[in-house]
Amino acid sequence: ETGVTQTPRHLVMGMTNKKSLKCEQHLGHNAMYWYKQSAKKPLELMFVYSLEERVENNSVPSRFSPECPNSSHLFLHLHTLQPEDSALYLCASSQEVGGWGTGELFFGEGSRLTVL
Amino acid sequence: SQQGEEDPQALSIQEGENATMNCSYKTSINNLQWYRQNSGRGLVHLILIRSNEREKHSGRLRVTLDTSKKSSSLLITASRAADTASYFCATVPHYGQNFVFGPGTRLSVLP
Repeated sequence: ETGVTQTPRHLVMGMTNKKSLKCEQHLGHNAMYWYKQSAKKPLELMFVYSLEERVENNSVPSRFSPECPNSSHLFLHLHTLQPEDSALYLCASSQEVGGWGTGELFFGEGSRLTVL
Repeated sequence: SQQGEEDPQALSIQEGENATMNCSYKTSINNLQWYRQNSGRGLVHLILIRSNEREKHSGRLRVTLDTSKKSSSLLITASRAADTASYFCATVPHYGQNFVFGPGTRLSVLP
């Protein structure tokens, strides 16, 4: 257990569906992240939140909509996805945003998304 | 542009042998970290080495950092089948910037 819990672990959705991924961290961290991991590609940073405020959005299509209601919870709302969006979506947290100092990332187990 | 590049992309060894993975990066960094990922799971932090450190140990792990060559290596000694996983280096370029991960090295340890 890393202290970061993601649900659901697996999700299959059609291109017209709307679904959400949930992440919860029990570590008291101030920063939370969404990463996308596709086959044969490096981890892609999607969004970064620091104390519930979005501080980074790496040119992610608008069909991905993040929400951070408090510093312990992070959501990724999905709508009108494409088959190429199929991937493992990883949530992570760290004490402070970025890795300066002693920062390390704590990852959840990921949500495997398949878009049909 | 991608900051970290691991080498080799895939490595297959026998149990008991040592495994060495390398990471190269492009810009100056504050620290470099290594992570491990079992298939289909999340990443787990292994070790962090700061830009003013040259070598660090943790159990069977040994990490070196050469800032003049912008490279790092991860050595796993006396490998076990349970070490089979993908290993990623992550760099932190500058203050306020976020981690940049390389594509990873897939290690297979054969019993």
